[in-house]
Amino acid sequence: DVVMTQSPLSLPVTLGQPASISCRSSQSLLSSDGNTFLNWFQQRPGQSPRRLIYRVSNRDSGVPDRFSGSGSGTDFTLKISRVEAEDVGVYYCMQGTHWPRTFGQGTRVEIK
Amino acid sequence: VQLLESGGGLEQPGGSLRLSCAASGFTFRNYGMSWVRQAPGKGLEWVSSLTGSGATTYYADSVKGRFTISRDNSKNTLYLQMNSLRAEDTAVYYCARDWNDVDYWGQGTLVTVSS
Repeated sequence: DVVMTQSPLSLPVTLGQPASISCRSSQSLLSSDGNTFLNWFQQRPGQSPRRLIYRVSNRDSGVPDRFSGSGSGTDFTLKISRVEAEDVGVYYCMQGTHWPRTFGQGTRVEIK
Repeated sequence: VQLLESGGGLEQPGGSLRLSCAASGFTFRNYGMSWVRQAPGKGLEWVSSLTGSGATTYYADSVKGRFTISRDNSKNTLYLQMNSLRAEDTAVYYCARDWNDVDYWGQGTLVTVSS
């Protein structure tokens, strides 16, 4: 199975400051069709997950442009340029290239 | 796009439950679908997926042989038949659209396995 390793697992951030979450996979997520199926999800307290980023760097409709995704192969990053109060929650990466699908452990973002 | 799960509840170990997910707002038969679960206070765990036609299915090792995913494209509904339930199956179960670009999620249904 592809292991997805996120760091840090807890991220206290000052409002208005940037935040960065790393996600590393144990195998390349480059698919045979040339796509890299790496998604980022946000889960606010008491809510279902919401996708923010798909295929490494594509932001979903309605997602603020302070969120961005980057990376390739086995090394990926989610960045929040200026953290706002509504960004509090747990962030997960997920690979959709290999079976079984696997998620990172989650990174809890909180306000200092 | 709306995904509405139902069928969760309290079941004894060894028992069975069938979850349903009613889909609307998109052409259901054109999309693979997935089930993902989240144990209380824990992270997300992929459970199962199937193709738009339902012909091909995939399962996590933790549920293989006990759970069956299926769909009825005439009813725009996804199912998860869960047999031989264990305490470790206790979780909120979400249905989600697609299986690589997983995008939309339902609100989830809670399954509790306890005697």
